Amino acid sequence: DVKVTQSSRYLVKRTGEKVFLECVQDMDHENMFWYRQDPGLGLRLIYFSYDVKMKEKGDIPEGYSVSREKKERFSLILESASTNQTSMYLCASSFGVFDYGYTFGSGTRLTVV
Amino acid sequence: GDSVTQMEGPVTLSEEAFLTINCTYTATGYPSLFWYVQYPGEGLQLLLKATKADDKGSNKGFEATYRKETTSFHLEKGSVQVSDSAVYFCALRVAGTASKLTFGTGTRLQVTL
Repeated sequence: DVKVTQSSRYLVKRTGEKVFLECVQDMDHENMFWYRQDPGLGLRLIYFSYDVKMKEKGDIPEGYSVSREKKERFSLILESASTNQTSMYLCASSFGVFDYGYTFGSGTRLTVV
Repeated sequence: GDSVTQMEGPVTLSEEAFLTINCTYTATGYPSLFWYVQYPGEGLQLLLKATKADDKGSNKGFEATYRKETTSFHLEKGSVQVSDSAVYFCALRVAGTASKLTFGTGTRLQVTL
């Protein structure tokens, strides 16, 4: 089974801190994605990547950046955390351009105080 | 742009009741359609999918039929169980967008004994 592992289940950070959320997948998937999940808003795409060192903005990239130096790892960076970035963050990966679906990690619940 | 509209939740049913969760979509191209399920404390899992009009996706007793004429992909199950309690997300991918998924807001299902 493909596994997508997010480094932390729960995080509490202070306003203004730089925050790194890490995601690793173990099945050589080309595509990786970062979403945030908020009640009543569903999942919104922050950034995605089709290959190493490639990144594309999603629907809500403001206040975030990403890094993909290795195929298996996709990092989400909050440059200066703010309270409105308190959310559940979900990482996902998928294979090529085919409709095999995404494999999701278990999520990181980030609270910014 | 592309969008997915799901019925508002929560949906509360007794065990063995019939389930329908409505999903309609708008798409700029020809979409593939998906249902994902999120059990408490977990990431999303692919439940079923359909890639062309009139296809029926099915899994674990759940079914959904891709209806191009009504732009719908309603999720159904004949007899729900307590273990089906979860949040259900409808999603689409338009060909040419390289596997980027657009999600609905999710519908919470609560099944009681």
